Parts: sequence; structure tokens; C-alpha cells
Amino acid sequence: AQSVSQHNHHVILSEAASLELGCNYSYGGTVNLFWYVQYPGQHLQLLLKYFSGDPLVKGIKGFEAEFIKSKFSFNLRKPSVQWSDTAEYFCAVNGNSGNTPLVFGKGTRLSVIA
Amino acid sequence: EAGVTQFPSHSVIEKGQTVTLRCDPISGHDNLYWYRRVMGKEIKFLLHFVKESKQDESGMPNNRFLAERTGGTYSTLKVQPAELEDSGVYFCASSQGRGGSTYEQYFGPGTRLTVT
Repeated sequence: AQSVSQHNHHVILSEAASLELGCNYSYGGTVNLFWYVQYPGQHLQLLLKYFSGDPLVKGIKGFEAEFIKSKFSFNLRKPSVQWSDTAEYFCAVNGNSGNTPLVFGKGTRLSVIA
Repeated sequence: EAGVTQFPSHSVIEKGQTVTLRCDPISGHDNLYWYRRVMGKEIKFLLHFVKESKQDESGMPNNRFLAERTGGTYSTLKVQPAELEDSGVYFCASSQGRGGSTYEQYFGPGTRLTVT
């Protein structure tokens, strides 16, 4: 069955702390991988994506993620979080053919405190 | 460029009533997706249009849900009659879907449906 597992439901960090959010997926075949973010009161927006090529992808606002095929993982990282990173983060996967539905994880709520 | 828009932003209805949600995709996007997030759970796929045709409706929960996409432009999702378990946030997304980064799905703000 297709699924995405996000290991943390709620993460609380102080400003300037490093962030790593875990994501593992189960999906047959070649995949595209995504991290979406939903800031309070805003809609889902794409943080970064992996289609092919370099497994280390960089996104907006200093975020990056690494695709490790052997571990079926796509963890999100940021070296130093800011209060404005407070949001809910969703990992998602779809098939490499592209025009297929996204399968989402349950989301990780990140709270950054001053 | 205007993003994906959804209407209404919030709807509160009683069990047994009918509600129609609307999604306007980004102009020129052939692919339109509906998703739903029930409280505390993951965002789940409902169905996928390519232009006016239903490509995949495997996620539709039951026959109380009816989706249409008139002329391949905007889409509506009707719930009739609504049940308590239909409460949640309904998201619409669109993509060009013509290769590479055009597969990226852009999301609307969602419609929060509350069935009482």
C-alpha cells in the first residue's frame, strides 16, 4: 500500500536550533517527493521537491531535504530555525509519471519559540 | 498570475443538507485534484480531473459525493446528503502536467466544512 510516515507529530524548538523532520514512504516504482508547508492562516505551499538527479535538494527559506533511496526516506532539514518557521509541514509522494495524486503524511507541527 | 481559489472558505451545514464546494484552478492547468483532510488525519486524495474528464476517482468515499468539471475549467464538489463524518477541510490543487516541474501541484486555501 502507498503511504508516507512522518515520525514527529509536534516538534518544539528554540530559535537558532537545528531542525530535522523525518519522512519515510512506501510506494511502488520511481517516485517524486515533496515537502509542503502550511503557515498559520495560509494555504499549502511547496517548500521543495525531488524529481530526479542530485538527491540533496534545496528549497525556499533555507530548507533542504535529502532523498535516500535505500532507506525510502526524504528528511527535511534546516540548520537554524526562526520564529517565522512555525507552521505545519507535510511530506508527500507521487509516482514518477507525474500526473498522479499525492500521498501525504499526517503532518508535523513545528513550534519555534523565542 | 492568480492562484487556485476555492469557495466558500467555510461552510457550516446540518446533517442531511447539501453543500457544493467550488474550485477555480490556475488558468491553463489541465489537471485538477480534490483532497480532504479530516481532523487529526492525513490529507487524502479524492479525485483527479484531466480537463473535463475524471481520470481517477478512487478516493471518493461514497456516492454522496459528486464532482464535476464543466468545460475543463472550474470544478464543483457536491455532498448530498451531508453526514457528520464529512466534516473536514477540502483542498483543491491544480497542475499543468506536461512534464518536469509542470507536475507540481498548486493548492488552494481549502474549504472548511462543518456538518452539525
